[in-house]
Amino acid sequence: EADIYQTPRYLVIGTGKKITLECSQTMGHDKMYWYQQDPGMELHLIHYSYGVNSTEKGDLSSESTVSRIRTEHFPLTLESARPSHTSQYLCASSEFTGGTEAFFGQGTRLTVV
Amino acid sequence: GESVGLHLPTLSVQEGDNSIINCAYSNSASDYFIWYKQESGKGPQFIIDIRSNMDKRQGQRVTVLLNKTVKHLSLQIAATQPGDSAVYFCAENGQAGTALIFGKGTTLSVSS
Repeated sequence: EADIYQTPRYLVIGTGKKITLECSQTMGHDKMYWYQQDPGMELHLIHYSYGVNSTEKGDLSSESTVSRIRTEHFPLTLESARPSHTSQYLCASSEFTGGTEAFFGQGTRLTVV
Repeated sequence: GESVGLHLPTLSVQEGDNSIINCAYSNSASDYFIWYKQESGKGPQFIIDIRSNMDKRQGQRVTVLLNKTVKHLSLQIAATQPGDSAVYFCAENGQAGTALIFGKGTTLSVSS
């Protein structure tokens, strides 16, 4: 089992609400990632971080934002949720970039009504 | 055993058969490849990985084959079990090596 945790596991929220999805890892990894995944589809990278105070946008454009104030914590925020944000959000971490295994959390399934 | 020549979204096999799941990767500069298994309601779990200086790597009941000439990756599962039922994704590190780039998944269904 990977030591990476996401909360909440499931979230149903109304349009216009601000939400923060939490992600924490205890492996001391510098590299962390957020992927978005629609049911049965591939994962798309939306944000990544090389370490504290580093955040970059991924290949898939997203209205969400991230922060990296502590090594172990990489929260994702949506300022104003919309139904188009309904998806599964997966957080991951790795010891090195790209050329090594990424460890994934269980995911947060977000539904915006 | 059952095999998939081109990527197909689903593969159905009988328990005990060997399964082969194929994946075409996109970037010739990729030098690291990995297979993940994702069960319903869970995050992807590592199965096996391979670097571009190898063309075959074996694990417990699983083998990954890499053909760099045609940019093709395959996952072979020996003696498939019902617990192997899941969605399988291949991923590559791409030219920038920033993060893993995932391919389309294949849903493996194993009937007993």
